[in-house]
Amino acid sequence: NAGVMQNPRHLVRRRGQEARLRCSPMKGHSHVYWYRQLPEEGLKFMVYLQKENIIDESGMPKERFSAEFPKEGPSILRIQQVVRGDSAAYFCASSPQSQIGNTIYFGEGSWLTVV
Amino acid sequence: AQSVTQLDSQVPVFEEAPVELRCNYSSSVSVYLFWYVQYPNQGLQLLLKYLSGSTLVKGINGFEAEFNKSQTSFHLRKPSVHISDTAEYFCAVSGSSARQLTFGSGTQLTVLP
Repeated sequence: NAGVMQNPRHLVRRRGQEARLRCSPMKGHSHVYWYRQLPEEGLKFMVYLQKENIIDESGMPKERFSAEFPKEGPSILRIQQVVRGDSAAYFCASSPQSQIGNTIYFGEGSWLTVV
Repeated sequence: AQSVTQLDSQVPVFEEAPVELRCNYSSSVSVYLFWYVQYPNQGLQLLLKYLSGSTLVKGINGFEAEFNKSQTSFHLRKPSVHISDTAEYFCAVSGSSARQLTFGSGTQLTVLP
């Protein structure tokens, strides 16, 4: 959905570099979700954030990955010391609230390629 | 824990023919079910969702799905497909917290002329 803005759309990093992916939720949405889609697979939940708080990070790898959603500005998914296995599409989504029935709107994704 | 199985990874079908994309789920709690469509190099767009009430759910682009609790299924159907329906379709489930969706591995629908 064009309302959730992600950038960059495509990012190439060498092994060992850092990758930063940004997500601006739809206007009026205070809940942000990050999902990862590996080649030929469905999306896997990574983390759920509200402004200045990480609510659920049960899907985040224990090392090298972090996420934030500051009071001002976009949500950032940060991957340190990238490896080839990090190559994937990373989707951000947002919703106005985290309640049953609320539609989650997805951005167009950021494709990370690690060479 | 929840899981979603999409039984067919690829479904080719001729234009104007009917199509059914299958989805089965497992969950120990009440579930809410969704179908999303993904066009190449784009994000996911919600087609339809089941929360409660009528088991037959109508969505956008002429798609509908039926929730069958006894068979734990939520199959997606369209009576007559168009070339423009060619895309990847994902079934997803969420639990009562609604904080995260669990997705199936997707079904690539290819509509042939």
